[in-house]
This record gives sequence, structure tokens and C-alpha cells, in this order.
Amino acid sequence: QVQLQESGPGLVKPSETLSLTCTISGGSMTNDHWSWLRQPPGKGLEWIAYIYHNGNTNYNPSLKSRVTISIDTSRNQFSLRLNSVTAADTAVYYCARGAGWYAHWGPGTLVTASS
Amino acid sequence: QSALTQPASVSGSPGQSITISCTGTSSDVGAYDYVSWYQQHPGKAPKLMIFDVSNRPSGVSNRFSGSKSGNTASLTISGLQAEDEADYYCNSYASSNTYVFGTGTKVTVL
Repeated sequence: QVQLQESGPGLVKPSETLSLTCTISGGSMTNDHWSWLRQPPGKGLEWIAYIYHNGNTNYNPSLKSRVTISIDTSRNQFSLRLNSVTAADTAVYYCARGAGWYAHWGPGTLVTASS
Repeated sequence: QSALTQPASVSGSPGQSITISCTGTSSDVGAYDYVSWYQQHPGKAPKLMIFDVSNRPSGVSNRFSGSKSGNTASLTISGLQAEDEADYYCNSYASSNTYVFGTGTKVTVL
């Protein structure tokens, strides 16, 4: 059974860069899409980006200018970078397997943008 | 890319059936059979309940079913149980390899 786990700082200062990593265990990253999503406190879900195992990417148009997703299949990890964060980027960030529908999710990690 | 529209809340008594709607446009829900549904309990990650409009992943109760008509997708929960009380979100492909979620629906079991 594939398991995912997010890791990274829980607090980021406004205007700085949010960096998160998702580590996969119990399976291979090959021939799959891997996604980042987020959920502000008390609000709905938002898809951020996905990456294919070969490095092909796609981004939510509303975040595209600030987001980079990358993958390291040798370490069974993929990562998210979000630049120039503001309070509006405060959310629980989830990594998930898939693109469009997500059968496996990490537990999520709360990232707060605050000074 | 606007969020899909869901009712804020739906409620029902144990044993009843309820339906949650998810309304989009002819550019997302109406254009593709790539609608999925998620159940989320407080403090937990979402759980996939339906994919590709009406397909149930292994392990999901057959009390959950999905359908689509025009620009509106629907999730029906039959034989409502206390454990079904949660938030539910729809998601759809929205062209150019992008995806959009619904606004979310809180299901209350009376």
C-alpha cells in the first residue's frame, strides 16, 4: 500500500518561499502522476500542481507564476516551492498520488505564513 | 477557472438517501467524464469515493454512487449512516490539463 508523508517548515515569513517535500513509501513513483493540493483553514480544496515521473509538469493557472514542482525518483520524493508567500497561502498542504483523481493522500501539513 | 458550485449543506435521517450536486460549465463538468468525489472528516485527509463520474474505488461502500447530466454531477448516498457525516468535495477536469474543485458540502446525519 502506497503511503505519502509531507515534510517541511510549518511557519514561513511573508514574501519568503514555502518549501515542502513528499516522501513515498511502499511503492514506486514510476508511471504515475504526483500532485500537491492545499486547503486553507475552514475552506475548500485547491489543486496546485502535478508532475509525472518523467518530470512533465502542470500548474494551476492562478498559482503558476509562483510555483515550482520537482521530482527525485531515486529518493522517492517530490517537492513544492511557492514563492512570495502571503497570509492567503496559509493552508494545510497535501501531497497525493494521481492527477485529476487522488486515491492516496498524505496526512497533510499546516503551513502558516506569518511574521 | 472558477470553483464548481455545491450546496453548502445537505442533511438526512439515518437510512434515507441524499444527493449532493456539483454544478460547473460546458468547459469542465459538461465537457469531460472526469469528475471525482471526496469525503473528508474533520482533521483528516480527503478520501476518494468516486472517480470518472461513476466508478467506485475498491473498498468504498456501494451506498455511494455518482452520475452526471449536462453541466451537473451528483453524488448520491443511500442508506445514510452516522459515519457518512462529513464534508464532500467534487473535482473536475477543466481543460489544458488543469483541475477544479467544488465549494464543498457539509453532510449532516440528523
